[in-house]
Amino acid sequence: GAVVSQHPSWVICKSGTSVKIECRSLDFQATTMFWYRQFPKQSLMLMATSNEGSKATYEQGVEKDKFLINHASLTLSTLTVTSAHPEDSSFYICSAIPGQGFGGYTFGSGTRLTVV
Amino acid sequence: GESVGLHLPTLSVQEGDNSIINCAYSNSASDYFIWYKQESGKGPQFIIDIRSNMDKRQGQRVTVLLNKTVKHLSLQIAATQPGDSAVYFCAEIGNAGNMLTFGGGTRLMVKP
Repeated sequence: GAVVSQHPSWVICKSGTSVKIECRSLDFQATTMFWYRQFPKQSLMLMATSNEGSKATYEQGVEKDKFLINHASLTLSTLTVTSAHPEDSSFYICSAIPGQGFGGYTFGSGTRLTVV
Repeated sequence: GESVGLHLPTLSVQEGDNSIINCAYSNSASDYFIWYKQESGKGPQFIIDIRSNMDKRQGQRVTVLLNKTVKHLSLQIAATQPGDSAVYFCAEIGNAGNMLTFGGGTRLMVKP
């Protein structure tokens, strides 16, 4: 089946540094990928929609200059958390849709970011 | 804005019993619904989906029921097993695009 690989699975960084998270579709091409953030004991909140070859679409309240998204190929989207602060500590998850139409949203395994 | 929510944050059941997890949605234009299972530290895993033109769909040990009249969705798990312990989310896609909106989640705890 369709697989989305996310890397790293966890990362600890110092406050003020930047962290890049990769999301790869391993056996399909994804023109659209989605980035979610999940705080403990909460639901997934959509941060942005990543579109291959064009700018990402950010949800209201998500700072596009802080959460840089690059979708340079049909199999890779990256999320860079710039100048990370402790409040950015969260579980970041990407997803992609194999094929056309509804259904089949496949999620990555998530990245646990801890900013100290 | 439109939202999808759940009635119960935690559900505790005995192993072997049936589990029912509920979800209310507010977007009457939603036409596709999905249930996901999320284990600790992992991404959501697809369980079952249903389109708005259906009111019931069955999978292996799971059944999703959709009541469009009251905008209610439920997930039934038969013969619940310890491996079913996780957080379950409903999600919906409206007719405006392909974005998933997640509900608040229900933690299912299975007692041996």
